[in-house]
Amino acid sequence: EVQLMESGGGLEQPGGSLRLSCVASGFTFSEDPMNWVRQAPGKGLEWISNIRSGGDSKYYADSVKGRFTISRDNAKNSLYLQMDSLRAEDTAIYYCVRDVHFAFDLWGQGTMVTVSS
Amino acid sequence: QSALTQPRSVSGSPGQSVTISCTGTSSDVGDDNNHVSWYQQHPGKVPKVLIYDVIKRPSGVPDRFSGFKYDNTASLTISGLQAEDEADYYCCSYAGSFTWVFGGGTKLTVL
Repeated sequence: EVQLMESGGGLEQPGGSLRLSCVASGFTFSEDPMNWVRQAPGKGLEWISNIRSGGDSKYYADSVKGRFTISRDNAKNSLYLQMDSLRAEDTAIYYCVRDVHFAFDLWGQGTMVTVSS
Repeated sequence: QSALTQPRSVSGSPGQSVTISCTGTSSDVGDDNNHVSWYQQHPGKVPKVLIYDVIKRPSGVPDRFSGFKYDNTASLTISGLQAEDEADYYCCSYAGSFTWVFGGGTKLTVL
């Protein structure tokens, strides 16, 4: 079955760090660019980061640039998001998402991140 | 990276058609790459792609869903409304340099 499964979410204090993981199965992970998209409670979707298939090129939304780092391990079919200097406004469900034809065709179930003291 | 503009809500009766607009700029929606996509999200569920590249439908998406674009505005039309179409809808555009921007979302109510 083609799927993505995130983990690593939880409660963290402002200024803290969290590392999210996403494991892919059912497709050739190493061939596809991957993204993180988040959704704050009751709010809309926000694209936050993209990594190309080889892992050499990475791109970020202004809202997370300099604080978040995307990475991947193609040997482990895994995508990661290192989140540093967390803020209350980073509270959201974080989705691991594959993009094909510049559209987001496969989504994980999401992992909830709450930033609060 | 400003969000695309969508109406907050639309509504229609079963069998009718509704259209949701999505307005951006010449750097995203209006760009010639035509990488505009639409997503449906039911409450508590994961988003699902309905349309990509402005007008293309992934396998399994009913042809009741159609997309269009003119200038800096894209639109999603849902024909023959059904109760299960009640959901939130998001447009999204590629904005160059491997970045994307979403719309704020539109809540569709089937009366």
